[in-house]
Amino acid sequence: GENVEQHPSTLSVQEGDSAVIKCTYSDSASNYFPWYKQELGKGPQLIIDIRSNVGEKKDQRIAVTLNKTAKHFSLHITETQPEDSAVYFCAATAYNFNKFYFGSGTKLNVKP
Amino acid sequence: DGGITQSPKYLFRKEGQNVTLSCEQNLNHDAMYWYRQDPGQGLRLIYYSQIVNDFQKGDIAEGYSVSREKKESFPLTVTSAQKNPTAFYLCASTGDRAGGYTFGSGTRLTVV
Repeated sequence: GENVEQHPSTLSVQEGDSAVIKCTYSDSASNYFPWYKQELGKGPQLIIDIRSNVGEKKDQRIAVTLNKTAKHFSLHITETQPEDSAVYFCAATAYNFNKFYFGSGTKLNVKP
Repeated sequence: DGGITQSPKYLFRKEGQNVTLSCEQNLNHDAMYWYRQDPGQGLRLIYYSQIVNDFQKGDIAEGYSVSREKKESFPLTVTSAQKNPTAFYLCASTGDRAGGYTFGSGTRLTVV
């Protein structure tokens, strides 16, 4: 089955700096890669996603890049703000969407 | 507003008891999922259901049971056979093959 690895497990940045979280996957059949943000005590919320036919996608301060050859994808947050502090999860799934495989999460701390 | 409702938010279980976690969605989604989240770990799939009256085991189904009698509802029972049930449980749903999950706000289960 699919194996998703996520790094780093914790990330501390100063407000206004950029943050990058990286994930690798093992199954070349995976073709959909969502990112979720989870605040303390809440369920994860989808913040951005990318499909295998696209190399990069942006939504305001958030971007995701995908390298299919290397089987890795990354989340980029620019101009970080304290409200970006949360745990971020990457995930991967093949097109049947039967199962999503999640990374172990990155705890992002944005210091004011 | 459409969404997924999990209840209760907090649940305490005594040794040897079965407890049932509720998950209800009004999104008209076909597929529903249960995940377990432990500190510092990613989300692990317990059970999923793609259609009413049908469900499949995920990666850690032992000690859990589910039912899917209605499209809107996917309750999870944590049985006494689950020896380490203390965790945060997340329910999710998805409506089509075009997007990611919508998550509920979770139930924190503690053995007392």
